[in-house]
Amino acid sequence: GAVVSQHPSRVICKSGTSVKIECRSLDFQATTMFWYRQFPKKSLMLMATSNEGSKATYEQGVEKDKFLINHASLTLSTLTVTSAHPEDSSFYICSAFKSGGPTYNEQFFGPGTRLTVL
Amino acid sequence: AQSVSQHNHHVILSEAASLELGCNYSYGGTVNLFWYVQYPGQHLQLLLKYFSGDPLVKGIKGFEAEFIKSKFSFNLRKPSVQWSDTAEYFCAVTDSGGYQKVTFGTGTKLQVIP
Repeated sequence: GAVVSQHPSRVICKSGTSVKIECRSLDFQATTMFWYRQFPKKSLMLMATSNEGSKATYEQGVEKDKFLINHASLTLSTLTVTSAHPEDSSFYICSAFKSGGPTYNEQFFGPGTRLTVL
Repeated sequence: AQSVSQHNHHVILSEAASLELGCNYSYGGTVNLFWYVQYPGQHLQLLLKYFSGDPLVKGIKGFEAEFIKSKFSFNLRKPSVQWSDTAEYFCAVTDSGGYQKVTFGTGTKLQVIP
């Protein structure tokens, strides 16, 4: 199978601090990973596309200076929420796109990270 | 730009009832279609997917979906639901080109009453 992990699963931080969330593809390489935000009782909103070795592509309305994305290797992408505020509290989900093989064109989702900013 | 609409936001069924969740998409090109499920407290899991071929797709746990190109629809069905099917269901679409951006519908919360 194709497994994607996220760490941490839950984090509570004080307003003004920065939080880093890791997304790892455990048994495959992913040149492309995606970061989503899920609001309560709402769908997933794509925040950005993370490409290994290049700058992330952000969706309209997402502040790139606030949500820093780094995709330094084929199995790891990180999302850093800088100077977090209570309105950044949300459920953040990553996915990894697996190219080739029987699961071509399929994304595999991580379990999500619950961020609470006090 | 792609868009996906799910008409039912909250569905309540008794066990053994039949299920059909609507999904319509808007996109001018060739698409790949997905249904994902999110059980309470768990992460998104793929139920089934359509890339090409037979428009009737069978997935896990007895779910199936039918792609009707003329109606831009990809409705999810199950003949007899169980209490364990209580979850949120998301329809999603990607274009079949090189950029695999997924657009999700707003989700349908299914509650199955024993």
